[in-house]
Amino acid sequence: DGGITQSPKYLFRKEGQNVTLSCEQNLNHDAMYWYRQDPGQGLRLIYYSQIVNDFQKGDIAEGYSVSREKKESFPLTVTSAQKNPTAFYLCASSSGGPGLGGYTFGSGTRLTVV
Amino acid sequence: GQSLEQPSEVTAVEGAIVQINCTYQTSGFYGLSWYQQHDGGAPTFLSYNGLDGLEETGRFSSFLSRSDSYGYLLLQELQMKDSASYFCAYSGNTPLVFGKGTRLSVIA
Repeated sequence: DGGITQSPKYLFRKEGQNVTLSCEQNLNHDAMYWYRQDPGQGLRLIYYSQIVNDFQKGDIAEGYSVSREKKESFPLTVTSAQKNPTAFYLCASSSGGPGLGGYTFGSGTRLTVV
Repeated sequence: GQSLEQPSEVTAVEGAIVQINCTYQTSGFYGLSWYQQHDGGAPTFLSYNGLDGLEETGRFSSFLSRSDSYGYLLLQELQMKDSASYFCAYSGNTPLVFGKGTRLSVIA
């Protein structure tokens, strides 16, 4: 079955460490997205990519980096510059343009700073 | 600016009907989507309104009025499994912008 796979499900980071969250999709979707979810805050856009080797910053990109070397993969790195990284991170993809909706989400990665 | 407003919590009785409202302020508006998210899970797509009016999908319906910048999600014949958070999201010339979500509790 097609879908989006995020790994790991849970991740613990020490202060000052960079960590990378994996996102893989086999839906043949062109666009991929990273959202951050905090309690009571809804989903906020970190980065998105419409095609391979191209990506754009979202509303809260500071302290994060991404790459899109393959259509299927859109990893997110949470750097030490992100001062409050504890959150639930959701990856999504869509076949249409970013504004057309109909996103498919992965099951998320819960990141905790220890 | 871009923003969506929806109630933070709603409680309803099993078997009843509940309406979750969403108002928005934005430019370049294409349409309004609704997503369901159970605790700890992934948001799942429920419906999309690109035109004014009512869209029906089984027990769920969604409505949009562009002139009023307003939409709602209607859930009928509520079941316990409908207890979840519901997010409205607008489609524009940027990726989806989500509201903060409405937590629906279905009680017996």
